[in-house]
Amino acid sequence: DTEVTQTPKHLVMGMTNKKSLKCEQHMGHRAMYWYKQKAKKPPELMFVYSYEKLSINESVPSRFSPECPNSSLLNLHLHALQPEDSALYLCASSQASGNYGYTFGSGTRLTVV
Amino acid sequence: AQSVTQLDSHVSVSEGTPVLLRCNYSSSYSPSLFWYVQHPNKGLQLLLKYTSAATLVKGINGFEAEFKKSETSFHLTKPSAHMSDAAEYFCVVTPGGSQGNLIFGKGTKLSVKP
Repeated sequence: DTEVTQTPKHLVMGMTNKKSLKCEQHMGHRAMYWYKQKAKKPPELMFVYSYEKLSINESVPSRFSPECPNSSLLNLHLHALQPEDSALYLCASSQASGNYGYTFGSGTRLTVV
Repeated sequence: AQSVTQLDSHVSVSEGTPVLLRCNYSSSYSPSLFWYVQHPNKGLQLLLKYTSAATLVKGINGFEAEFKKSETSFHLTKPSAHMSDAAEYFCVVTPGGSQGNLIFGKGTKLSVKP
């Protein structure tokens, strides 16, 4: 299995809602990532988990809360988002060093209304 | 500091003609370099990667890239464009051994005319 699976593919949520994005990989990768991508822009790193521990948090607002329950799963919990948070959220995974490239999921298209 | 410059924001070619997408990088370390493709409303797919082995790298779908250290370039080429190649292409560098430190170029949109 050489895929990163993200669910849901699309999500519309109100500013008072709580929702979660899910990501799963079965490639034995020990590093997992959340990226945010706005239209016509490259992805921007949000969080890095290495061996299930948060190793990088790129000053992301606390309304985004990552969780790594085990080495195959990565969640992103969303609460009290703003319309400007609407974007494509991409999950990726890699071998621990990241040198051999990252495998990206197809993303969750999030719309905050 | 590491950086990536994609020299063209938009490239338009006719089907069956060659494709050239240009990328220059700056890195203080021996870099790993990648090209990713993103079709509309999709995730990123790895086309090819350079990790200090052969300087001419072959990827999927007939794409290849050549690492030229003297020119700090990693241009992406394909001999004959297909309509299905129309997408956004990102050149990416990582200095090696640094998790999460993918440096993305701004992207090049490739259009393919019939």
